[in-house]
Amino acid sequence: EPEVTQTPSHQVTQMGQEVILRCVPISNHLYFYWYRQILGQKVEFLVSFYNNEISEKSEIFDDQFSVERPDGSNFTLKIRSTKLEDSAMYFCAGRQGINYGYTFGSGTRLTVV
Amino acid sequence: QKEVEQDPGPLSVPEGAIVSLNCTYSNSAFQYFMWYRQYSRKGPELLMYTYSSGNKEDGRFTAQVDKSSKYISLFIRDSQPSDSATYLCAMTPNNNDMRFGAGTRLTVKP
Repeated sequence: EPEVTQTPSHQVTQMGQEVILRCVPISNHLYFYWYRQILGQKVEFLVSFYNNEISEKSEIFDDQFSVERPDGSNFTLKIRSTKLEDSAMYFCAGRQGINYGYTFGSGTRLTVV
Repeated sequence: QKEVEQDPGPLSVPEGAIVSLNCTYSNSAFQYFMWYRQYSRKGPELLMYTYSSGNKEDGRFTAQVDKSSKYISLFIRDSQPSDSATYLCAMTPNNNDMRFGAGTRLTVKP
């Protein structure tokens, strides 16, 4: 069964450093998302991406965050200057169309020290 | 009132029991409702996806949506130890940004 692949599985970074989290969506998916889950808390929406542009973003997704799909395959989330409170599991998700459910990746655990 | 409320549990049942999981919500604009299962340190896995009110069945799982009461349920029949996980409800008004419940941790004991 096709999977959403996320790399790395765990990343440790120093506060103030830039990080890029990578996702390879399922090939026939058209809608892409990033969610995050701080340990012990709810899964939270960050951003949705369709047709090579952001379609919606949450309050969490401020100027420090950006997304790209540079080569039509990888889907990346960049955090420009990480803060301690950015430590969380980051999940990439995708789906074929608006009437389909989402498929999530296994996540990247980001630890900011 | 929180937008999506879900009792975090934990919920423990014997193998073979019927499990009932529930969420309530406050935003009447929600139209799309989903249930996800999440194992420890893994991403959410879609179990059920429904639009508007009604019932949907898939194997041992039944999802119910009552929009008039702003209440959704997931029933698991003949529960198995492998069903032990955290179950997340999720919903969205526009089929785009999902709002998740806190998740209910379920343990099915052999």
